[in-house]
Amino acid sequence: GDSVTQMEGPVTLSEEAFLTINCTYTATGYPSLFWYVQYPGEGLQLLLKATKADDKGSNKGFEATYRKETTSFHLEKGSVQVSDSAVYFCALSDPTGGSQGNLIFGKGTKLSVKP
Amino acid sequence: EAGVAQSPRYKIIEKRQSVAFWCNPISGHATLYWYQQILGQGPKLLIQFQNNGVVDDSQLPKDRFSAERLKGVDSTLKIQPAKLEDSAVYLCASSLVRGSYEQYFGPGTRLTVT
Repeated sequence: GDSVTQMEGPVTLSEEAFLTINCTYTATGYPSLFWYVQYPGEGLQLLLKATKADDKGSNKGFEATYRKETTSFHLEKGSVQVSDSAVYFCALSDPTGGSQGNLIFGKGTKLSVKP
Repeated sequence: EAGVAQSPRYKIIEKRQSVAFWCNPISGHATLYWYQQILGQGPKLLIQFQNNGVVDDSQLPKDRFSAERLKGVDSTLKIQPAKLEDSAVYLCASSLVRGSYEQYFGPGTRLTVT
């Protein structure tokens, strides 16, 4: 069935460091891919999305490119800030697959940014 | 615009007791979701409503979990009786239309079963 695998955390970086959080997926159809972010004490928020191969999603300095050949959707940011400290979830939605379009989440990666 | 509201934020119960969670979605959102998020894992869909009808409850443990969405607005999720493995955060989300990936999540209810 459809699944998402993302790198385990926690990830601890210094402010202004480069961030990469790896995400790979398995899907039977043609999924859309997403990154959600959960700040402490808050609900999950959609950070960015890509709906087809080679699309690049971007928001708040974060980017991720939908790579069909490697079934990946890695999250990157060139210079992290303390305010980026949160848990990041990679997810997919595959309307033509077994999950019927429901969101399938990875386990989440906790990011801590130190000043 | 008000977000998705959930209550209570925290709940501690003993096993075999019952518990109920409440969710108020964003006004006008037809689709409502309940997720279970066990510590260290991503959210897992329990049930999806379209207005006041259930469209997907395939992952809901129906022997102990139940949910309803009266009048197509607020929703309650109930567990009776609770087991230790039900300890988790229960997230409610809503979306404008069914099948939209743009789901808006509430802050969740953290349940601890002792």
